[in-house]
Amino acid sequence: ILNVEQSPQSLHVQEGDSTNFTCSFPSSNFYALHWYRWETAKSPEALFVMTLNGDEKKKGRISATLNTKEGYSYLYIKGSQPEDSATYLCAILRGQGGSEKLVFGKGTKLTVNP
Amino acid sequence: DVKVTQSSRYLVKRTGEKVFLECVQDMDHENMFWYRQDPGLGLRLIYFSYDVKMKEKGDIPEGYSVSREKKERFSLILESASTSQTSMYLCASRPTGQGRNQPQHFGDGTRLSIL
Repeated sequence: ILNVEQSPQSLHVQEGDSTNFTCSFPSSNFYALHWYRWETAKSPEALFVMTLNGDEKKKGRISATLNTKEGYSYLYIKGSQPEDSATYLCAILRGQGGSEKLVFGKGTKLTVNP
Repeated sequence: DVKVTQSSRYLVKRTGEKVFLECVQDMDHENMFWYRQDPGLGLRLIYFSYDVKMKEKGDIPEGYSVSREKKERFSLILESASTSQTSMYLCASRPTGQGRNQPQHFGDGTRLSIL
């Protein structure tokens, strides 16, 4: 079974702080890594899909990097706001042909205090 | 925008009942998925389907079955509901082929309680 590990499990920061979390995965047979944000009472929302070693993606104050050789990705949030409070999930694409599936980590729960 | 619609946000059923959770997507995606989410355990894949009438077991298929008679609809069936199946259930869809690196789209979830 493939393990996708996320750390920390939870995080409390103050408004305005910058923060980052880690997603670790086995580096063999890598196809793609996904990041999702899951706010309470809403559905998970895609942030990034990353496929190439060295990829860096940015969406507003949120950015992500990918290192497929060593098997990790970082998600950064600059100047955290209360609305950033959510669980952040990463997932690795596994499988072949059409029967591909995402294997999710357990998530990092971020709470931003005003 | 892709829309994944789950038939119920909240559902309460009794032990032993046969329970149907329905999911419909409107973007002609080949792949559809059913997950459950429990505190401390993250999202776990129950079943997925990569085409009409095709299905594959995920990590925790025991006690569940699925049906995909039409491309847009993927149903999760609890054959004889048990209290251990009380959980949040999420449906998702994603394209395959050229779209394999596209994100997955999720429904709003069904919070199922088995009494």
